[in-house]
Amino acid sequence: KQEVTQIPAALSVPEGENLVLNCSFTDSAIYNLQWFRQDPGKGLTSLLLIQSSQREQTSGRLNASLDKSSGRSTLYIAASQPGDSATYLCAVRGSNYKLTFGKGTLLTVNP
Amino acid sequence: GAGVSQSPSNKVTEKGKDVELRCDPISGHTALYWYRQSLGQGLEFLIYFQGNSAPDKSGLPSDRFSAERTGGSVSTLTIQRTQQEDSAVYLCASSSSANTIYFGEGSWLTVV
Repeated sequence: KQEVTQIPAALSVPEGENLVLNCSFTDSAIYNLQWFRQDPGKGLTSLLLIQSSQREQTSGRLNASLDKSSGRSTLYIAASQPGDSATYLCAVRGSNYKLTFGKGTLLTVNP
Repeated sequence: GAGVSQSPSNKVTEKGKDVELRCDPISGHTALYWYRQSLGQGLEFLIYFQGNSAPDKSGLPSDRFSAERTGGSVSTLTIQRTQQEDSAVYLCASSSSANTIYFGEGSWLTVV
């Protein structure tokens, strides 16, 4: 059974800092990995999708990496802004198309 | 619309009543998912549709929960004889093949 763990559970940083969010998974036989953000009272917004054959994806100030063999992914946020404050969720998709989520990292960026 | 649409956005119901939650996926998306998110908890998988069939119903928590999808499009999640522990946000998502999964804003269910 796939299990996804996200560390840290919460993170508070001053504006402008670069930061890294971590995601680990127990079963390396994944199809892809997706990072989402969730604002309070809202649904999930897709940030980046990494296919199992890829090592990283970039979008603006966000960079996600994937090391499938070790069961790890990181989300790097450069020059953080208060608008980046949200919960960040990592999800892995297996061959059965089920998406398994971590519990998320609650990020607060202080002005 | 361009995104996944869910209705109602908020529902308050009395314990023991039945509720229906609706999901309109992105046009052309063959895969449709239902997840549940309880207060302070992670996302719990409920059911997955490929077209109109549901190859994975493993997440439905009890026989009070059922879901269907018609015409390869709209899906309805039905909860019978609601209980207070059913209070949660019910999230629907869709995707095409193995690509990005897009979520709706959710249906917030409160059972009183």
